[in-house]
Amino acid sequence: DIQMTQSPSSLSASLGDRVTITCRASQDIGNYLTWFQQKPGKSPRRMIYGATNLEDGVPSRFSGSRSGSDYSLTISSLESEDVADYHCLQSIQYPWTFGGGTKLELK
Amino acid sequence: QVKLLQSGAALVKPGDSVKMSCKASGYTFTDYIIHWVKQSHGKSLEWIGYINPYSGGTNYNEKFKSKATLTVDKSSSTAYMEFSRLTSEDSAIYYCARSSYYSGDNFDYWGQGVMVTVSS
Repeated sequence: DIQMTQSPSSLSASLGDRVTITCRASQDIGNYLTWFQQKPGKSPRRMIYGATNLEDGVPSRFSGSRSGSDYSLTISSLESEDVADYHCLQSIQYPWTFGGGTKLELK
Repeated sequence: QVKLLQSGAALVKPGDSVKMSCKASGYTFTDYIIHWVKQSHGKSLEWIGYINPYSGGTNYNEKFKSKATLTVDKSSSTAYMEFSRLTSEDSAIYYCARSSYYSGDNFDYWGQGVMVTVSS
């Protein structure tokens, strides 16, 4: 199975900060990488697909990038509504696998 | 608008089975695959498997192969997951989500989740 190592597992940041969350894939997954945001008591929401494509309706302060086997989700200027858990998913090979999740909080 | 409406929370005893549903609306049911995802401890997500509503074909995560059974009823646009021989480790929230037949376009819509509690 492909392992997705997500870091950090938790993150505390201030409003306006630039925040980056990373997933490292244990094998080549191309651009088959999706990022989700999940708020307490809610279902996950797709934010980025194909590693870099912004989902419709997602604020432009969110972006996705890739460097080799490292995939990053960046929030350019943190807003209070961005406080949530974030998950990555690889979908190039079954079983599809998620990262361990990142809990983003306000400092 | 696209919706995936899941059945309600379940409280079940160890050793029992539970069957949950995921009713799709707002799109052609057979145009998308339905996946099931487990969320334990409020954080980590695990892919359980998928069912192709058009063909009925399934693909399971090896970890859940003896635990989960996926079915569909095309006439009602509803997907089902039955989880058997439940233990406390199966207490979790279970989501359905859809993906296109292209695996790079996945999980754009999710159900609201079903909380399953296994307790005697």
